[in-house]
Amino acid sequence: QKEVEQDPGPLSVPEGAIVSLNCTYSNSAFQYFMWYRQYSRKGPELLMYTYSSGNKEDGRFTAQVDKSSKYISLFIRDSQPSDSATYLCAPGDTGNQFYFGTGTSLTVIP
Amino acid sequence: KAGVTQTPRYLIKTRGQQVTLSCSPISGHRSVSWYQQTPGQGLQFLFEYFSETQRNKGNFPGRFSGRQFSNSRSEMNVSTLELGDSALYLCASSLVKGSNTGELFFGEGSRLTVL
Repeated sequence: QKEVEQDPGPLSVPEGAIVSLNCTYSNSAFQYFMWYRQYSRKGPELLMYTYSSGNKEDGRFTAQVDKSSKYISLFIRDSQPSDSATYLCAPGDTGNQFYFGTGTSLTVIP
Repeated sequence: KAGVTQTPRYLIKTRGQQVTLSCSPISGHRSVSWYQQTPGQGLQFLFEYFSETQRNKGNFPGRFSGRQFSNSRSEMNVSTLELGDSALYLCASSLVKGSNTGELFFGEGSRLTVL
């Protein structure tokens, strides 16, 4: 079983839609959770960084962590064509190592 | 503030050769991690260096090695290249807070093609 499971998509939504991206993980020791956005032929760009369970909001983005069910979500409100990218979840433990999902490809159609 | 810089951006090698990739972290960041990204496997952790010492290592063969210099710059080396080593190699730096690595900031990557 992989440490992190993420639906690869592709996911296609109309502009303005609410997007929900999800990951599940198996290691209960994970305490740090990151979401990255990666445009084609670019390096991943950090979007959100959260610690433990709960919600964190930053503009149109909300990260949600449910440690009891080992479930991580990223919500994008009022999605824009510029949000078209691959989104990677990355939980980590206190051992300074992060485990990346394979990424979900998102296309926002104008 | 300059970001993470990786060189070279693109390179082509043949099987059996070796390659060295370089990474300059964000100023003040002392932790450097390396990842291999392929379409099928996603990002896989290679190793992490902190203060010139390898602190963590992923499940890659010994052909993959790295080092970190006193100025926090890092290099990784792959010897006896195989076709399956073709990938995007990403370097990430982070500002260590206590014993935890903190957020990872990635470079643009070095795209290696092995023929």
